[in-house]
Amino acid sequence: DGGITQSPKYLFRKEGQNVTLSCEQNLNHDAMYWYRQDPGQGLRLIYYSQIVNDFQKGDIAEGYSVSREKKESFPLTVTSAQKNPTAFYLCASSIGPGQGYGGYTFGSGTRLTVV
Amino acid sequence: AQSVTQLDSQVPVFEEAPVELRCNYSSSVSVYLFWYVQYPNQGLQLLLKYLSGSTLVKGINGFEAEFNKSQTSFHLRKPSVHISDTAEYFCAVSDQFQEYGNKLVFGAGTILRVKS
Repeated sequence: DGGITQSPKYLFRKEGQNVTLSCEQNLNHDAMYWYRQDPGQGLRLIYYSQIVNDFQKGDIAEGYSVSREKKESFPLTVTSAQKNPTAFYLCASSIGPGQGYGGYTFGSGTRLTVV
Repeated sequence: AQSVTQLDSQVPVFEEAPVELRCNYSSSVSVYLFWYVQYPNQGLQLLLKYLSGSTLVKGINGFEAEFNKSQTSFHLRKPSVHISDTAEYFCAVSDQFQEYGNKLVFGAGTILRVKS
């Protein structure tokens, strides 16, 4: 079955350490997204990519970086510059613009905790 | 820019009672509308969507929603809830003719708590 796989499910980061969250999809979707979720704050967009080798900052990109070298993969790096990284991170994908529309498909999330 | 308001942050309801979760969006341009459900420590799952056609949309798990263009609303309803419906529900909107891509704008979420 097609879907989005996020790994790991739980991740612990030490102060000053960079960590990378994995997101892989086999839906042949062009667009991919990263969201951060904190209690009571809904979903906030970190980065998104509509096509390979191209990505744009979302609303809260500071302290994060991404790459989109393959259509299937959109890893997110949480850098040491992100002062409050403890949160639930969600990856999503969708078909590209001009191809009709069906909304997003979400992964099951990664819970990142600073220790 | 488009924005989405979910009018209730939490909705408590007894089992087998009806429920309505309210959603309003800001722009009256042509839109796509979605409701997602999130169970604890899981990703979001699509409940239903409105793309065009009939304004009453039926989704999974017995939920339905009605698109009201004049009131820019897309309220979610279920005639009889179960304990298993306890979750957080997100309304989302996308403008049909975005300049770049099909980004969704999400509401802040409504936590539905079903009590026995």
